[in-house]
Order: sequence, then C-alpha cells, then structure tokens
Amino acid sequence: KAGVTQTPRYLIKTRGQQVTLSCSPISGHRSVSWYQQTPGQGLQFLFEYFSETQRNKGNFPGRFSGRQFSNSRSEMNVSTLELGDSALYLCASSPVRDRNGRRTGELFFGEGSRLTVL
Amino acid sequence: AQSVTQPDIHITVSEGASLELRCNYSYGATPYLFWYVQSPGQGLQLLLKYFSGDTLVQGIKGFEAEFKRSQSSFNLRKPSVHWSDAAEYFCAVGAQNNNNDMRFGAGTRLTVKP
Repeated sequence: KAGVTQTPRYLIKTRGQQVTLSCSPISGHRSVSWYQQTPGQGLQFLFEYFSETQRNKGNFPGRFSGRQFSNSRSEMNVSTLELGDSALYLCASSPVRDRNGRRTGELFFGEGSRLTVL
Repeated sequence: AQSVTQPDIHITVSEGASLELRCNYSYGATPYLFWYVQSPGQGLQLLLKYFSGDTLVQGIKGFEAEFKRSQSSFNLRKPSVHWSDAAEYFCAVGAQNNNNDMRFGAGTRLTVKP
C-alpha cells in the first residue's frame, strides 16, 4: 500500500505570496490532518478533514486554510506568507476505524513539505 | 484540551545501554497515547500506542512503554539501544472524543555514542 504522499517536498516563497500544499492519503483513509513543525514551536495541529468537512481546527490565523476532495486528497493553503511561516508542513492520514470497526487514533505521516519564506 | 510534556530535550546514551524517555500528559479522561519517531528529513513513524487494557505496550524496533495513570506518564523504554535509534522521539496524546486532534510533546532528541 502506498504511503502518504505530499507535494511539493521543498519550496521557496517570498513574503506576501501564497502557497498551496497537496496531500494524498493512504488509500481508504478518510481523515487527513495537517501539522506545522518548527524548531521553536514543535508540532502544532492545524486542522483535520473528514469526508470533505473540516472537523477540527487548531489555533492558527485565517491565512491558513484547507480543503478535502471527494477522493480524500487534501490541500492546504497559506496566504500572505510571513517569515514565520517557514516550517515543515506534515500531512497525516488515518483510517478512523480499523478492520474490526474499532476507533484508531493512529496517524500515518507523509515526509512533509518544507516551506522557506524569504 | 490535552497536552504533553517531554522534560528532556536531548539525551545521549551509549550503544548497548538502556534507554528511557519521559512523557507526561494532561487530559481529563483516559487518553489515547502514542510514541512516534522522526529521523532527519522524514515524517513521523508510529512506534507504539496505548488505548486501553494492558498498561505495558510493546512496539516496533524493540521499544515498549508503560502507562501509569497515577503519574500521568507514558515513558518509552528500550533495553539496548542501537546506533540506528538516533532520532527525535515524540510523545502524543489524543482525546477519546476525537482522536485525530493529536497533541505532541516538544520532542526528545536521542544521540547514540559508539
């Protein structure tokens, strides 16, 4: 089974620009979560999508947005980039329930998209 | 909301020595607890998880962790560390009502001396 795929892996933007990151979850996984990882703040939860609906949201400004498509693929967008948005953005998918119907909180992570804002 | 504290930012152990990484959580009910490992430039890989039942859980790569409710802890252990275990380790807690809103600790960087 293919893992979580994130594109692009690396990108460089300048302040004020906007960026879109893409995430393809593991086949069959309907939940997709996004995290921002920085040396100073660590791993911070951005949002989670399930069946094309945002189910949870972390404490980030409205410049950070996302969406999920009917095939469970997800995108996140950051508008009006700031220097502090430089980070590794990690996407994680989850099956929500295992083969026995039990809830599972396990997240399967992609390798991330490293964004540098100049 | 749930939260996690990993008191040790950086730990150095000799290859073959035992390892214990500390994790304390805060959550009002029985949490879902996880340990993940991240190698440089990589995403996170699940080592083990606790949902309920036996408080000593076994994971991959010879790791185990013990859930202690009285101490709000979920420490990760390995009896003999290998050089390939050098990485960053994250403890995480998920709420039972929505376990995909997972909160991570700040991480512990493990260095293994030859």
